[in-house]
Amino acid sequence: KQEVTQIPAALSVPEGENLVLNCSFTDSAIYNLQWFRQDPGKGLTSLLLIQSSQREQTSGRLNASLDKSSGRSTLYIAASQPGDSATYLCAPKGDTGGFKTIFGAGTRLFVKA
Amino acid sequence: ETGVTQSPTHLIKTRGQQVTLRCSSQSGHNTVSWYQQALGQGPQFIFQYYREEENGRGNFPPRFSGLQFPNYSSELNVNALELDDSALYLCASSLWGSNEQYFGPGTRLTVT
Repeated sequence: KQEVTQIPAALSVPEGENLVLNCSFTDSAIYNLQWFRQDPGKGLTSLLLIQSSQREQTSGRLNASLDKSSGRSTLYIAASQPGDSATYLCAPKGDTGGFKTIFGAGTRLFVKA
Repeated sequence: ETGVTQSPTHLIKTRGQQVTLRCSSQSGHNTVSWYQQALGQGPQFIFQYYREEENGRGNFPPRFSGLQFPNYSSELNVNALELDDSALYLCASSLWGSNEQYFGPGTRLTVT
């Protein structure tokens, strides 16, 4: 059974800092891993998708890495801004049982101006 | 915007009632997944539909059921509502396989 852990659970930083959000998962049999952003009470916005054969993906100030064998992914946010304040969710998709996606509880980020 | 829509936006029901939530997939997507997100937690996988059949289910009782229609829109039905069913219900559409999921804005269900 896939279990996903995200560390830290919450993070408060001043504007401009570079951040690393961590995600670990117990079952390495995954097809891909997606990072999402969620604003309070809203749906999820996809940030980055890493296929299992890839090591990293980049989009603007965001970079996500994947180490499938060790069951780890990190999301790196460069030069954080107040608009980055949100909850960040890690979601590996399994390759058995119908491509289930299991989410972590998320990291709540607050960037202070 | 993802092109995935959900209705209604908010809903208040009484314990024991039944509810139907609706989701319209992004154009061209043949797979829909439903998730329940309680306050302060990550989304929990309920089930997934592909070509109108359930294909994968999380740890939810049978009173949670669904449908997928030929146009790939979907419904989530919950019978005998309980207070713990209060949550944000999210649907996500994708192409079958190892592809990116696109989420709708969610339906906030409150059970009193």
